Amino acid sequence: GAGVSQTPSNKVTEKGKYVELRCDPISGHTALYWYRQSLGQGPEFLIYFQGTGAADDSGLPNDRFFAVRPEGSVSTLKIQRTERGDSAVYLCASSLGRGSGGDTQYFGPGTRLTVL
Amino acid sequence: QKEVEQNSGPLSVPEGAIASLNCTYSDRGSQSFFWYRQYSGKSPELIMSIYSNGDKEDGRFTAQLNKASQYVSLLIRDSQPSDSATYLCAVYNFNKFYFGSGTKLNVKP
Repeated sequence: GAGVSQTPSNKVTEKGKYVELRCDPISGHTALYWYRQSLGQGPEFLIYFQGTGAADDSGLPNDRFFAVRPEGSVSTLKIQRTERGDSAVYLCASSLGRGSGGDTQYFGPGTRLTVL
Repeated sequence: QKEVEQNSGPLSVPEGAIASLNCTYSDRGSQSFFWYRQYSGKSPELIMSIYSNGDKEDGRFTAQLNKASQYVSLLIRDSQPSDSATYLCAVYNFNKFYFGSGTKLNVKP
């Protein structure tokens, strides 16, 4: 079916506001990753889900960031009390999640977050 | 020290030449290695994966892995202007993918 989708494609918010970013992975993919990419940098790992559970959330920068994947499909990244430094492109990727070797990730188009 | 290091470039090559992109990584326990291409304003797309020492060829692309030297490279033969993009090296280690900052490649017609 379709690839990974992310909404919104762009989000402009004011400092201190709350935002939610959504990721809809490829059907059947059990592994889902969130990344943050700043200009001129590679994607920075935030969190990894295997099914419904967060298998590794060590990349979340602080407790303002939280992500859920309640039914093992769609995931939402939530950012509280946004700061200007949170401005970046937030990328979601999914993969089959078959094993420990790191199988192919398919990236969504990203959400560009701008905090004014 | 960053997990994955790449020269930011830009690397400029003429059309038809071989482009050589390099990457080093810090964790000897790293398990899998990937090269992604990212066009400006777009998301990364996988070009090659490599899991064991040696060379792996796919069309015009060859990935090379040397675990003893903690070094991964990507060769692009017969470079085309459409290959102009940023190339990201990624290393997989215990549930996480670590990305380098990317090397910008310019292929001049």
